[in-house]
Amino acid sequence: QVQLQESGPGLVKPSETLSLTCSVSDGSISNYYWNWIRQSPGKGLEWIGYIYYSGSTSYNPSLKTRVTISIDTSKNQFSLKLSSVTAADTAVYYCARGTQFCSGGGCYPFFDYWDQGSLVTVSS
Amino acid sequence: SSELTQDPTVSVALGQTVRITCQGDSLRTYHATWYQQRPGQAPILVIYDKNNRPSGIPDRFSGSSSGNTASLTITGALAEDEADYYCSSRDTSGNHVVVFGGGTKVTVL
Repeated sequence: QVQLQESGPGLVKPSETLSLTCSVSDGSISNYYWNWIRQSPGKGLEWIGYIYYSGSTSYNPSLKTRVTISIDTSKNQFSLKLSSVTAADTAVYYCARGTQFCSGGGCYPFFDYWDQGSLVTVSS
Repeated sequence: SSELTQDPTVSVALGQTVRITCQGDSLRTYHATWYQQRPGQAPILVIYDKNNRPSGIPDRFSGSSSGNTASLTITGALAEDEADYYCSSRDTSGNHVVVFGGGTKVTVL
């Protein structure tokens, strides 16, 4: 059973960079898409982006200029950096494994393993 | 279009059937994925590739689609099915971008 565990500060100051790391255990990091997803208080899910184990990335266009996702396959970890944060970035951040499937028009990943989520508050 | 639209709330009597819908242009191209999120918990995958259930998901959950609309049906709803449900798909912009619907709160009466 794959397990994901986040680490990182729960409080970030405005204009600074939010940094989170997700550690993957009991499963290979290879051949999967590793995702960050967030949920603002009382709101819905927002996909932030993913990194494939090979290092290729895709980001939500609304966050693309501020997001960097990286991976360290030797440590079975992947990380999120979100720069220039504001109060609007306050959310529960989830890391999740993405398994790609392909239907008629193309392929995209579904998220089959999630961590428990971590609240990150942006405040001075 | 990258937008997926869901009804905000739906209610169902205990033991009855409820259908949750998700509309969007991308669903004409890509099969939907569905997630369940109980209060205070992380989402879990309930349906992928239109109508496939991961192991451990009861067969009262099923998926279907027609045109630009995907549906998640719960047949014989239980109290434990009270949760938020989110659909997901890929954006049609040409980029490999994942989008979520706004979510549907299902209340079991």
